[in-house]
Amino acid sequence: GAGVSQTPSNKVTEKGKYVELRCDPISGHTALYWYRQSLGQGPEFLIYFQGTGAADDSGLPNDRFFAVRPEGSVSTLKIQRTERGDSAVYLCASSLGGEEQFFGPGTRLTVL
Amino acid sequence: AQSVTQLGSHVSVSEGALVLLRCNYSSSVPPYLFWYVQYPNQGLQLLLKYTSAATLVKGINGFEAEFKKSETSFHLTKPSAHMSDAAEYFCAVIKSSNQGGKLIFGQGTELSVKP
Repeated sequence: GAGVSQTPSNKVTEKGKYVELRCDPISGHTALYWYRQSLGQGPEFLIYFQGTGAADDSGLPNDRFFAVRPEGSVSTLKIQRTERGDSAVYLCASSLGGEEQFFGPGTRLTVL
Repeated sequence: AQSVTQLGSHVSVSEGALVLLRCNYSSSVPPYLFWYVQYPNQGLQLLLKYTSAATLVKGINGFEAEFKKSETSFHLTKPSAHMSDAAEYFCAVIKSSNQGGKLIFGQGTELSVKP
């Protein structure tokens, strides 16, 4: 079946611009996660949704970052006033609420 | 707080040799532990997981890991490396699984396999 998909696969933007990254989870998965992976590092947790609500947003670095999941399926990660330090691969994962998370291929964000 | 330490950012082995990737965890409660593999330009794929059942866990592609509470370790092994095993490997811990939860990853170990 279809796995987790993320669009776009690559995004290049200029410092100060606004970007949206999209995640389509596996159908029926109630939990959705966002992680950020900087070069040479392990993924770092950003936010976790259970259904439509954010169950844990403790990993969002500051108020420029925001994520939504209005219908409990697709999620959008929004970054305002992008900075060069935001450049990373943004990973999305989904699960049925158990321990195994299924990851998408990621969106590589480059802020010039 | 949970944390994970992977010893060695880069490991190189010859094809057919033993693979040993080290992971130590820190947790105040019984952890759930995972190994993920990441091939170039691909997403993370689950290799295996420990969820407090058997301490020796077998995963995909011939990998296995042993949970040792006394050593707070969860090292990943494979008896005979294959060229296709070259990838980045991540150890991760999660506090509890009954309602999901965030994964905390180690820094990763890049495995190279020489012919």
